[in-house]
Amino acid sequence: EVQLVESGGGLVQPGGSLRLSCAASRFTFSSYWMTWVRQAPGKGLEWVANIKYDGSDKYYVDSVKGRFTISRDNAEKSLYLQMNSLRAEDTAVYYCARACHDYYDTNGYSHWGQGTLVTVSS
Amino acid sequence: DIQMTQSPSSLSASVGDRVTITCRASQSISIYLNWYQQKVGKAPKLLIYAASSLQDGVPSRFTGSGSATDFTLTISSLQPEDFATYYCQQSYSAPGTFGQGTKLEIK
Repeated sequence: EVQLVESGGGLVQPGGSLRLSCAASRFTFSSYWMTWVRQAPGKGLEWVANIKYDGSDKYYVDSVKGRFTISRDNAEKSLYLQMNSLRAEDTAVYYCARACHDYYDTNGYSHWGQGTLVTVSS
Repeated sequence: DIQMTQSPSSLSASVGDRVTITCRASQSISIYLNWYQQKVGKAPKLLIYAASSLQDGVPSRFTGSGSATDFTLTISSLQPEDFATYYCQQSYSAPGTFGQGTKLEIK
């Protein structure tokens, strides 16, 4: 069974930084696009960033460009999201998600972690 | 960025009903449209990918259709476990925007 486990969430002051991690297991991590999706309390899903299976391409939603950086370590089977200059509106549960099929990012996300809560508040 | 608009935002229905949720893209996205179900406090679950392909393990009462800008998710006979929030998501171009969600409630 595919497993994705996020960690690194917590309470941070506005302007602060956090690094989220997603540990992957039971699939060939290096063959899949990976994505971060967030959900503010009581709100809908928001796509945040994704990264190609080899790390060569990365994409971000406009609201986080220049502040967040997605990365991966295929040897460690881990996905990361470095979040800087955090704002109150970044408060959300952050999910890592795996593409449905290897090498493609066009068929949705078939596996999700349990999510990690990031709260930005003074 | 491509905008995704779902309707209705909420829907009340009874067990056994047939329900349809629509999703409209702000530009053509071919068939790169996915549907998810989310229950409170849980991660989303992929139901349909590529507009009409049923994800493994998803009951056949869920069907998706459409192309270009207009898509639908149909549940043929609602079961108690289907009451949840449903999201569409385009995977045609980054960012892979989601619709605002449709909350399906018990009548």
